[in-house]
Amino acid sequence: GENVEQHPSTLSVQEGDSAVIKCTYSDSASNYFPWYKQELGKRPQLIIDIRSNVGEKKDQRIAVTLNKTAKHFSLHITETQPEDSAVYFCAAGSSGTYKYIFGTGTRLKVLA
Amino acid sequence: KAGVTQTPRYLIKTRGQQVTLSCSPISGHRSVSWYQQTPGQGLQFLFEYFSETQRNKGNFPGRFSGRQFSNSRSEMNVSTLELGDSALYLCASSFQGSEQYFGPGTRLTVT
Repeated sequence: GENVEQHPSTLSVQEGDSAVIKCTYSDSASNYFPWYKQELGKRPQLIIDIRSNVGEKKDQRIAVTLNKTAKHFSLHITETQPEDSAVYFCAAGSSGTYKYIFGTGTRLKVLA
Repeated sequence: KAGVTQTPRYLIKTRGQQVTLSCSPISGHRSVSWYQQTPGQGLQFLFEYFSETQRNKGNFPGRFSGRQFSNSRSEMNVSTLELGDSALYLCASSFQGSEQYFGPGTRLTVT
């Protein structure tokens, strides 16, 4: 069935370093890949997304890359700051089925 | 615009009871999706509604059901509650089904 694998489950980086979170999806029909940030006790918030007709998208310190052939997509955060500490979820879905499968999350800790 | 709202925010029920959760989407959004979030399983898709029609559903038993009203507000119902149903239930709204914005969730505890 449909599945999204996310790695690593936890990630600690020093402030100012970069962080990379990777996801792999199984459904070749997936064409929309959002990333969410969830701080403790708060709702998931959409931080960036990418569609299958684009290989890379950037928004300030955050970028997402997509390799459709390998069914991989990744989140890159540069110049990390303590406020980047949160759980990050990737998801994959199809705009035709309106069903999104989420990864199991990555707990990012940015050490000051 | 006001964000997605969910009521109630917290709920305690006993096994065997049933519960109804409510979600009001962002004004103008016609798609509402529901997710169950647990520490072990992450975010799991329950179902999605658009213009009062269920367009897709996840792999949950028939005890989980939902509906959407003409004003796009949505409810989900869980009957015959089990201990394993304890979770944070999140709804998310979107204009047509892609960019989703989540509500604060309803924390359900089943005892």
